[in-house]
Amino acid sequence: AQSVTQPDIHITVSEGASLELRCNYSYGATPYLFWYVQSPGQGLQLLLKYFSGDTLVQGIKGFEAEFKRSQSSFNLRKPSVHWSDAAEYFCAVAETGANNLFFGTGTRLTVIP
Amino acid sequence: DAGVIQSPRHEVTEMGQEVTLRCKPISGHDYLFWYRQTMMRGLELLIYFNNNVPIDDSGMPEDRFSAKMPNASFSTLKIQPSEPRDSAVYFCASSFRGLAKNIQYFGAGTRLSVL
Repeated sequence: AQSVTQPDIHITVSEGASLELRCNYSYGATPYLFWYVQSPGQGLQLLLKYFSGDTLVQGIKGFEAEFKRSQSSFNLRKPSVHWSDAAEYFCAVAETGANNLFFGTGTRLTVIP
Repeated sequence: DAGVIQSPRHEVTEMGQEVTLRCKPISGHDYLFWYRQTMMRGLELLIYFNNNVPIDDSGMPEDRFSAKMPNASFSTLKIQPSEPRDSAVYFCASSFRGLAKNIQYFGAGTRLSVL
């Protein structure tokens, strides 16, 4: 069965600093991969997704993620964090052709001035 | 489009009472998903529908939980009787033609507190 691991429960970065959130998955084939963001009291919003093709994907709000098959990873990056990026970030995986998502436990991002 | 609409946004009830959560998916979407979010277990898929038909309900925790989708624009998640351990945020999401073609759009959630 597929699973998603987000090893960092909480990360604190300074505004303007770079950010990398880690995500590892367990799945035999190449899954569909997603990053979602959840602001306090809000639903989840898709940042970006990977289905196939170019392993570096660009998303909204200046985020990008890179799929590395050899490491079973799909890490999220942003070169310069803004205070408004403070939120919880979820990595998710779905089997190829499936329609249900499995989510990681999330990483809470705090941005300090 | 107004997006996925969930009601109520907050629900406080007493143990043993029936609770009904409601969801209106985005018009034209043919998949509907119910998730539960707790601190302990994170986000879990409870059930999902395709064209109003339940496809996978393996995530429904027990018989106290039931979900219906009587038409393409409305779904309910019912808990009867409710228990304190059901306290969580429940999300509804919808998509068009499944994940291979499109993404899931999430509602703002219903925060349920069972006292």
